[in-house]
Amino acid sequence: GAGVSQSPSNKVTEKGKDVELRCDPISGHTALYWYRQSLGQGLEFLIYFQGNSAPDKSGLPSDRFSAERTGGSVSTLTIQRTQQEDSAVYLCASSLLRGGDEQFFGPGTRLTVL
Amino acid sequence: AQRVTQPEKLLSVFKGAPVELKCNYSYSGSPELFWYVQYSRQRLQLLLRHISRESIKGFTADLNKGETSFHLKKPFAQEEDSAMYYCAPWADTGRRALTFGSGTRLQVQP
Repeated sequence: GAGVSQSPSNKVTEKGKDVELRCDPISGHTALYWYRQSLGQGLEFLIYFQGNSAPDKSGLPSDRFSAERTGGSVSTLTIQRTQQEDSAVYLCASSLLRGGDEQFFGPGTRLTVL
Repeated sequence: AQRVTQPEKLLSVFKGAPVELKCNYSYSGSPELFWYVQYSRQRLQLLLRHISRESIKGFTADLNKGETSFHLKKPFAQEEDSAMYYCAPWADTGRRALTFGSGTRLQVQP
């Protein structure tokens, strides 16, 4: 079946604008994750959704970042009032049940804030 | 605090040489350990996990609870092994998502 998909693949925006990044996980996967990959910074955990449980938002860097997952499937990561330091590749992953299961990653969205 | 350390940002070896990518963790309890790999222009993907005790693409990793290490090893590196490697512990307590190390870029030269 299809893997994890993300859109857009690239997004260029101006400082101060809001952006929305979308993730379509593998069908049937109950766990969904957002990570940020910055040059020289490795992978930074942002937020984790598991079924109907309250999401783990402990990795969100500021209140400008938010995410939701509708119907237990598609997720949207929203960044308000973007800053240049938000420029990075945003990765989405899903796994069958829990964090300890194999995570399947999407291709990422490259965000550039001018 | 839960922490994972990959001390080398870049590891450069010649083809046929042995490779060891280091990973040390500081976790309460008994975490599960994973290695993920990202080849150029490909998605991040699972390479191996310690509970399976498999050898994938010639790589092995032994969990050393005494040293809290999970180093990734391969006896003879190949050019196609050039990639970014991430160590990731997971524990079913606290944050239940993976915590990735900062990654090590492996360059295998011909």
